[in-house]
Amino acid sequence: SQQGEEDPQALSIQEGENATMNCSYKTSINNLQWYRQNSGRGLVHLILIRSNEREKHSGRLRVTLDTSKKSSSLLITASRAADTASYFCATFGGYQKVTFGTGTKLQVIP
Amino acid sequence: DGGITQSPKYLFRKEGQNVTLSCEQNLNHDAMYWYRQDPGQGLRLIYYSQIVNDFQKGDIAEGYSVSREKKESFPLTVTSAQKNPTAFYLCASSEGLSTEAFFGQGTRLTVV
Repeated sequence: SQQGEEDPQALSIQEGENATMNCSYKTSINNLQWYRQNSGRGLVHLILIRSNEREKHSGRLRVTLDTSKKSSSLLITASRAADTASYFCATFGGYQKVTFGTGTKLQVIP
Repeated sequence: DGGITQSPKYLFRKEGQNVTLSCEQNLNHDAMYWYRQDPGQGLRLIYYSQIVNDFQKGDIAEGYSVSREKKESFPLTVTSAQKNPTAFYLCASSEGLSTEAFFGQGTRLTVV
């Protein structure tokens, strides 16, 4: 069963706007990671946030984690056409099996 | 260059045949994984391995088999018992089970 569920399933924005994606999960985790996938390609790791962290930044990416609500969000600021991709959250929990959500498909219109 | 390599990129299989997908990494990672991705879906874990000569079933292991005879290699065999094998298969590796995973570029398997 899927541990992480992303929301929304699809998102279309204009270049320069911010994009926010959310991820909810069901059980306790050690860390949560966000990945990006361009169409028909492998996944690329974006950022890892540990269960004792609340916020993390990497370039134009900002990730938050709320363990009480079992949710995380990924914010991409000043989006570019090259950000067009699918974004997945992945949770790492007690059995150490990574579980991926169904993804948010982001389209950035030039 | 360090990385993880999957081959072939595209694979066609006749019904009833077994087929093996290759995954090699030169990152010196202990953990390796196989995922299946169907159109518009997330990734589902097939098998994972924490160390050489050891592997564990994931969520959808039926119809698949793996081996881990070498640290660098984690081949996946899709057997004839897998009822719906057409999918995109992704291999990944990481230093440990909770650390950043590095993915290959995937193998698209089609049953004809």
